[in-house]
Amino acid sequence: AAGVIQSPRHLIKEKRETATLKCYPIPRHDTVYWYQQGPGQDPQFLISFYEKMQSDKGSIPDRFSAQQFSDYHSELNMSSLELGDSALYFCASSPTPGGRGSDTQYFGPGTRLTVL
Amino acid sequence: QQQVKQSPQSLIVQKGGISIINCAYENTAFDYFPWYQQFPGKGPALLIAIRPDVSEKKEGRFTISFNKSAKQFSLHIMDSQPGDSATYFCAATVSGGYQKVTFGTGTKLQVIP
Repeated sequence: AAGVIQSPRHLIKEKRETATLKCYPIPRHDTVYWYQQGPGQDPQFLISFYEKMQSDKGSIPDRFSAQQFSDYHSELNMSSLELGDSALYFCASSPTPGGRGSDTQYFGPGTRLTVL
Repeated sequence: QQQVKQSPQSLIVQKGGISIINCAYENTAFDYFPWYQQFPGKGPALLIAIRPDVSEKKEGRFTISFNKSAKQFSLHIMDSQPGDSATYFCAATVSGGYQKVTFGTGTKLQVIP
């Protein structure tokens, strides 16, 4: 079965640089979520989108922005990178809210961002 | 403030033994409780999930027990195998879709031969 695809899988950036992470949800999933997981930490919710509209917002820094496109893929843009942004970034997707299985989020393999 | 509390932080179990992980929550709006299994460098993978109207759910060697009045739930892994060695996260969310998942702090399970 098709899973959530994230790219790139690994990314190394310098401080103050920008990064763009991409997420391709499971086919027919129209809701996308972004999470950040620090070393030894649990995943923390950043932001979510449904039908290209932001549906919820968590502890996402103002330096970060995200959007969802017409094909439902999503991009997380990170600017003025800081050392503390080094983490695993996961994207998850779920079916249409209120529909069958919509409560379950399926996670991608993650992007490991290292800021030097 | 951790909305979903999980214990223990780490667990070592002999092969064939029972692994038990406990979680508690405060937010009574939560009505969907998934468990995720995560291997190093991988994304969390859904293991099993339960809703508060059910006190127990079993899938293979994995069983969730749910106590709504105590706002507690637990994962039991029967006949634990070395391949079960991973980090397990309990989680909670509000059903209906596009709601964030709130994770517990995780339990690192090691099953020794």
